[in-house]
Parts: sequence; C-alpha cells; structure tokens
Amino acid sequence: NAGVTQTPKFRILKIGQSMTLQCTQDMNHNYMYWYRQDPGMGLKLIYYSVGAGITDKGEVPNGYNVSRSTTEDFPLRLELAAPSQTSVYFCASSHQETQYFGPGTRLLVL
Amino acid sequence: GESVGLHLPTLSVQEGDNSIINCAYSNSASDYFIWYKQESGKGPQFIIDIRSNMDKRQGQRVTVLLNKTVKHLSLQIAATQPGDSAVYFCAGWNSGNTPLVFGKGTRLSVIA
Repeated sequence: NAGVTQTPKFRILKIGQSMTLQCTQDMNHNYMYWYRQDPGMGLKLIYYSVGAGITDKGEVPNGYNVSRSTTEDFPLRLELAAPSQTSVYFCASSHQETQYFGPGTRLLVL
Repeated sequence: GESVGLHLPTLSVQEGDNSIINCAYSNSASDYFIWYKQESGKGPQFIIDIRSNMDKRQGQRVTVLLNKTVKHLSLQIAATQPGDSAVYFCAGWNSGNTPLVFGKGTRLSVIA
C-alpha cells in the first residue's frame, strides 16, 4: 500500500491564483482530513470527511473548499490564494481515530 | 471547545536518558488521546494511543500516562536515542464529535 499520497510536494502561487491540492489514500479509509501547519505551530483542521459525499468544516475552513466524490480522493481547493495561506498542508485518513498522514504539500503565496 | 497544549516548546536530553513530554487538555469529554512524532519535513507519525478508561499504556520504549483528574497526559521515552529527535504532538478526540485537536508540539533534541 502507498498509504496517503499528496501532490504537489511544493508550489508557489501568486496572490489571487487558484489551485487544487490532491490527496489520495489506498487503505479504504472512510475518514479523511486536511490540516495546515504554520511554522513552529501545531496542526489546524481545515475540513474533514466521514465518507464519500460528506464533508464538514474544521477549525479554519475560510478560503478553502473540499469535495469527496470517492472514498480514495479528497482534494482541497484554494480559489483566491492569499499570503495568509502560506503553510504546509497535510492530508490524513483513518479507519477510526488513528490517523495516517501524507508527506505534505508546501505552499508559498507571494 | 477543546484545546490541547504542551507545557514546554523545547526539551533537550542526553542520549541514553529518559525523556518526559507533557500535555494538558481542557475538554473533560475527550476520551481518546494520541501521541505523534513529526520529523523534519515529514508528516506526523503515530506513536502510541490511550483511551480514557486507562491511566497507563506501554509500547516499545514509550509509555503514555493519563491523569483525567487534572486533564494531563505525558509521553515517556526510555533510553532516548538520536533518532528520537523530532517534534512530538499530543492530540485529543471526542468520540462521535469533532476529530482530533492537536497541541503545538514539543521539540525534543537529543544530545549525543
């Protein structure tokens, strides 16, 4: 199993651009999550999903959108990138509580 | 809401010594806790977990202690090795409700 994979690894965006961060898991987990991690800080939950077709807001959802059309994929969409969205983004999946994390996407908005 | 925090942002220990990393939580309804290890440039990795019906759980070289009275948990690493150098996060879960809430993390540095 590849586990949780994320693409791209690194991206530079200009203010106002949009992009989609991809996340795929091959463990058949129902739960998937998106976190952001700012330098020297912990993880903050952006959105999560308890199954295909179901998504919920986390702690910091503003400026982001998600969709969950399949069990495997949980893309995160930034519509109008802002410097405040410069961060490292982690996707995770779980069967129950224990989460398995992807390697992260480093995003820089200039 | 839930908040999970760490007492110290950094901890330096001598190789071979034991390490203790502490964490406090605010929501008494939290019934499941996890410790994660995050190495530089990588995603968090599960170390050990504990449910609220337990006060101690042991793994390989790691022990988690849970004190529900004062809403505190700790991670003990025995015979700390250079490979243990990382940031350690505690996270709490309210079953059936909001997913895990993470603390800010403690950076553990092992001095050879």
